[in-house]
Amino acid sequence: AQSVTQLDSQVPVFEEAPVELRCNYSSSVSVYLFWYVQYPNQGLQLLLKYLSGSTLVKGINGFEAEFNKSQTSFHLRKPSVHISDTAEYFCAVSQPNTGNQFYFGTGTSLTVIP
Amino acid sequence: ETGVTQSPTHLIKTRGQQVTLRCSSQSGHNTVSWYQQALGQGPQFIFQYYREEENGRGNFPPRFSGLQFPNYSSELNVNALELDDSALYLCASSWVEGNTEAFFGQGTRLTVV
Repeated sequence: AQSVTQLDSQVPVFEEAPVELRCNYSSSVSVYLFWYVQYPNQGLQLLLKYLSGSTLVKGINGFEAEFNKSQTSFHLRKPSVHISDTAEYFCAVSQPNTGNQFYFGTGTSLTVIP
Repeated sequence: ETGVTQSPTHLIKTRGQQVTLRCSSQSGHNTVSWYQQALGQGPQFIFQYYREEENGRGNFPPRFSGLQFPNYSSELNVNALELDDSALYLCASSWVEGNTEAFFGQGTRLTVV
């Protein structure tokens, strides 16, 4: 079984400041890791994913994440946020070759303050 | 625009009724998964269909059931609705093989009164 913990339910940050959204996972088997963003009244959009290889993953909109196997973490970072980054962010895991059967965290609400 | 469409967008039902939600997958995808997202929570995996058969199920009771059709469209059926079934229901399509991206629809907001 897998589980995902997002340590911060709400993160306020000023525009152009850096941000880190934290994610820890537990699993008895190898997993893939994902970050999704959800804007109000919309579905989920993939920001980035880690499948294998380099532990630093770059995604869309200037986001990046680092996979840390020893700490079972996959934290999301952006060096300078914009107002348009205000949204709900979800960390998720899946097992390889399951057709993306995701297990999501409870989400982090990022609010960018002008 | 992901190519995954869900209908209806909003729905109000009475406790005890039955509901059917529909999803049209991205062209060429052979797998569809359904998720329930309660207010303020992350999506929870309900089940996945691959080649018209259930291919994995989360911790949901049997009154949640589904179908996948040869054209890869899908239905989620919920019987004996309960107030706690009120949620946003999301479907996602992908290939089961390999590491391709899953594309999510915009969801159906179900309210049970």
